[in-house]
Amino acid sequence: GAVVSQHPSWVICKSGTSVKIECRSLDFQATTMFWYRQFPKQSLMLMATSNEGSKATYEQGVEKDKFLINHASLTLSTLTVTSAHPEDSSFYICSAGQGGNPQETQYFGPGTRLLVL
Amino acid sequence: ILNVEQSPQSLHVQEGDSTNFTCSFPSSNFYALHWYRWETAKSPEALFVMTLNGDEKKKGRISATLNTKEGYSYLYIKGSQPEDSATYLCALSLGKLIFGQGTTLQVKP
Repeated sequence: GAVVSQHPSWVICKSGTSVKIECRSLDFQATTMFWYRQFPKQSLMLMATSNEGSKATYEQGVEKDKFLINHASLTLSTLTVTSAHPEDSSFYICSAGQGGNPQETQYFGPGTRLLVL
Repeated sequence: ILNVEQSPQSLHVQEGDSTNFTCSFPSSNFYALHWYRWETAKSPEALFVMTLNGDEKKKGRISATLNTKEGYSYLYIKGSQPEDSATYLCALSLGKLIFGQGTTLQVKP
């Protein structure tokens, strides 16, 4: 149980285009979903937290107009990287929680590797 | 900014060896400490959630301890197997997860 899928697993795009990444909880309802980014040799860094039906909360330094997050249902959240640039090339990974308890386990997707040319 | 440190960064052991690695953190004021195991091209898999000082958790050959007073958690693997090769992440829950950089374990047959 508690499986999270993420698509696409990798994407290459031209500078200036937008890229959408989907995160789905397959066998549970995710009250909260999280988006992380990982640059080479660095740790996973939280970008934003989204709760179903409400606006996402972004971490300091993350541009909300550049990284659009939509959590329209209890099983789907999307991250859109708008007008992507080479510096946005990174590994993006989502996770989902079931109940909003800060002690609960977050279940992760397999991640999306983005390369912007 | 709270830093979660993991050591060593990488580790190579022979099959059958037992090994352990460390997660260090500066604060005792957190909700939980999480350990994840992350194999290449797969999703990070939750291993343990630890909340209390002195907590010890075990899952097969893998176990973990938590010392909140001195600010560390140990992960132990007894009799390492090639399938244990992965990156092991710890994360502190402060309402959001703060991750360490991970320890990458390679077990040679």
